[in-house]
Amino acid sequence: GAVVSQHPSRVICKSGTSVKIECRSLDFQATTMFWYRQFPKKSLMLMATSNEGSKATYEQGVEKDKFLINHASLTLSTLTVTSAHPEDSSFYICSARQREGLRLRYNEQFFGPGTRLTVL
Amino acid sequence: AQKITQTQPGMFVQEKEAVTLDCTYDTSDPSYGLFWYKQPSSGEMIFLIYQGSYDQQNATEGRYSLNFQKARKSANLVISASQLGDSAMYFCAMDIGSQGNLIFGKGTKLSVKP
Repeated sequence: GAVVSQHPSRVICKSGTSVKIECRSLDFQATTMFWYRQFPKKSLMLMATSNEGSKATYEQGVEKDKFLINHASLTLSTLTVTSAHPEDSSFYICSARQREGLRLRYNEQFFGPGTRLTVL
Repeated sequence: AQKITQTQPGMFVQEKEAVTLDCTYDTSDPSYGLFWYKQPSSGEMIFLIYQGSYDQQNATEGRYSLNFQKARKSANLVISASQLGDSAMYFCAMDIGSQGNLIFGKGTKLSVKP
């Protein structure tokens, strides 16, 4: 099966610092990656959709300058939380969608294990 | 507006019994897909089952089956022969948009009792 990894799995940082989270598709090429945010005991909320080689599409209410997304290759997308504050503390999950035409079953997405960010 | 509704914040089921988790959806798009995911306390999202809007038969995957009632816009998940390891959060989701973005319901916390 398709595997998506995230690094780091857990990060604690001081307020004002920037944190980079990596999302990698390990055994397939992902033309599209999605970034979700999940607060404790809440549902997943889509933050942005990133396509390889182009700018990410952000959902309404998500600050582009706050959450920088880069999808530089078909296997890697990064989310950088700039000048993090305690309210940015959350569980961040990425998912990846396979390139079209390669045995794609519907809009199948493969999720990473998530990154728990705590900003002190 | 597209929306997923899960009305059961929490459910209890006895081990080895079956349980149904409710999900209703709203969309005006005739083509859509419905998903169920399991999220244990570790946080990973585990894909369980998928139902396409044009699929004629209800989807089944092992102990999981999806009771798809298109006219009622419901896509309930049925777990048969519950196991202790089934205790987790369960999310119903629907794909929207051309890129397959998912919207999620609020989730149902399932607790399996021994």
